[in-house]
Amino acid sequence: AQTVTQSQPEMSVQEAETVTLSCTYDTSENNYYLFWYKQPPSRQMILVIRQEAYKQQNATENRFSVNFQKAAKSFSLKISDSQLGDTAMYFCAFATSGTYKYIFGTGTRLKVLA
Amino acid sequence: SQTIHQWPATLVQPVGSPLSLECTVEGTSNPNLYWYRQAAGRGLQLLFYSVGIGQISSEVPQNLSASRPQDRQFILSSKKLLLSDSGFYLCAWSVLQVHQPQHFGDGTRLSIL
Repeated sequence: AQTVTQSQPEMSVQEAETVTLSCTYDTSENNYYLFWYKQPPSRQMILVIRQEAYKQQNATENRFSVNFQKAAKSFSLKISDSQLGDTAMYFCAFATSGTYKYIFGTGTRLKVLA
Repeated sequence: SQTIHQWPATLVQPVGSPLSLECTVEGTSNPNLYWYRQAAGRGLQLLFYSVGIGQISSEVPQNLSASRPQDRQFILSSKKLLLSDSGFYLCAWSVLQVHQPQHFGDGTRLSIL
């Protein structure tokens, strides 16, 4: 079965510091896609960043970047210069070609401290 | 641009009552549609997904059902709600290819009394 594991239920970081959220996944497929979503207290799910498994280059979006290690099946999210607005639940998700299902991890609750 | 509407935003229902949550998508054709449930402080549990009108795949056996009467309309229903049905329900859509991300509605907070 395909699974996504986020081993850090809660994390905190000081404003302006850098934090890394972990995500590992399990699949026997070779062609798949990975996503990080943010869910602030408003509960709106917002896409943060995505990565294609066939691309070796790590995706970046402004202060957000990923460390994609395909062999290790690891997909961590780095948030640089953390801001109070980054306080949210972060979900890692995974989808394979040929299916229509997106598999989500259980989330990491991140709190940015002033 | 594409938008997704989900309603109601909040719902309080007694045990044993029926349920109907509706989700509609605008600005795209033939989307994949999804219903998720998020229990308090937990991840997203996929309940149903649909890749076409009248086509429904169920992921978790329960007293909920889904229907897709039109291309961009997805409905989550129950004939008799249980206390365990409480939670936050999210509708989402995506294009056919999974390399594109899902887009979520604002959610429905369902409380069963």
